[in-house]
Amino acid sequence: AQSVTQLDSHVSVSEGTPVLLRCNYSSSYSPSLFWYVQHPNKGLQLLLKYTSAATLVKGINGFEAEFKKSETSFHLTKPSAHMSDAAEYFCVVRSGGGADGLTFGKGTHLIIQP
Amino acid sequence: DSGVTQTPKHLITATGQRVTLRCSPRSGDLSVYWYQQSLDQGLQFLIQYYNGEERAKGNILERFSAQQFPDLHSELNLSSLELGDSALYFCASSVGGRREIDTQYFGPGTRLTVL
Repeated sequence: AQSVTQLDSHVSVSEGTPVLLRCNYSSSYSPSLFWYVQHPNKGLQLLLKYTSAATLVKGINGFEAEFKKSETSFHLTKPSAHMSDAAEYFCVVRSGGGADGLTFGKGTHLIIQP
Repeated sequence: DSGVTQTPKHLITATGQRVTLRCSPRSGDLSVYWYQQSLDQGLQFLIQYYNGEERAKGNILERFSAQQFPDLHSELNLSSLELGDSALYFCASSVGGRREIDTQYFGPGTRLTVL
């Protein structure tokens, strides 16, 4: 069975400073990993995905994530936060064992201080 | 805009009632997924259909059922509603099949309130 743990329920950073959202995963198979973002009263938007190609994955809006198998981690980073980044971020795993449904972490609420 | 549409946007109903949520996938996508987002349970996978057939089940209650029609749109039926069924219900679609790079695109959701 697969699972994800988002280590912080809330992260607060100042505008212009780096963002780090932490995620650890557990999977019986070689996982596909995703980060999705949900802005208030909006649907879910895909930020980036890892599917066993390059371990450093670049996504939209300047976000990137690094897959580290030895640490079972898939942390999301951005060099410089913008006010528009304030949202809920979900780390997601889809195992390759035939189960197509996604397993979501509990989410990290990112707050950007002016 | 993901290309996935869901109707209605909001639904308010009473306990014990039955409702139907509708989803139209992106053009060309064969797989449809349903998810429930609630404050206490977070985002949970309910069920997946692929080209009209049920493919995978998650944490879907027996009071809930879904189907995918020949035109590939899907409906989620929720019956004998309880207060705890109040949640945001998302539909997602993907090309489908067993491809590793398959990405799910989410609709805007239907907010269900059970009074």
